[in-house]
Amino acid sequence: GQQVMQIPQYQHVQEGEDFTTYCNSSTTLSNIQWYKQRPGGHPVFLIQLVKSGEVKKQKRLTFQFGEAKKNSSLHITATQTTDVGTYFCAAATYYNTDKLIFGTGTRLQVFP
Amino acid sequence: GAGVSQSPSNKVTEKGKDVELRCDPISGHTALYWYRQSLGQGLEFLIYFQGNSAPDKSGLPSDRFSAERTGGSVSTLTIQRTQQEDSAVYLCASSLDVWMNTGELFFGEGSRLTVL
Repeated sequence: GQQVMQIPQYQHVQEGEDFTTYCNSSTTLSNIQWYKQRPGGHPVFLIQLVKSGEVKKQKRLTFQFGEAKKNSSLHITATQTTDVGTYFCAAATYYNTDKLIFGTGTRLQVFP
Repeated sequence: GAGVSQSPSNKVTEKGKDVELRCDPISGHTALYWYRQSLGQGLEFLIYFQGNSAPDKSGLPSDRFSAERTGGSVSTLTIQRTQQEDSAVYLCASSLDVWMNTGELFFGEGSRLTVL
């Protein structure tokens, strides 16, 4: 079945360092979303990307959708302790747009 | 309601018993999703409703799992003859329309199921 892989699985950074998580699919994706889940919490929507090569920014967060629409990335500049959590991408393919599949997630730990 | 409401928040049951998990989506949201999250793992897609119909049930792990939605609102996920591997947090989410059109999924706090 469709799988959406994320790397790395875990990332520990010092506060102030940058962080990037990558989302990869073997099939072409229609849209892609990103969510953040704080420890003990539920996923919270961050953004949706639609167009090939699209780049969107939210303060210190930069989201990219690959030209081939098979990969995406989330980059956080100058991490803060409030960035701690697990970041998930979520996507669907063109042949099954109803089924929103979540990636495996990247757990970010930020040390002060 | 103000947000997606799930009940019970915690359920401990014995192996072999049946359980029902309830999801009350945000008022007016036509799309409803069920996911399962095991400890420290990602979200596993179970089923999706548009209105009362479920176009894709292929994510349900076995025939012990079933889900229904009535009146285009409340949904119930039923697990029959529970097994220990069913232990997980069951998350429900809703969106105004199919996710591609409206983007954001709003998640409930989840129902934590423990099967002894």
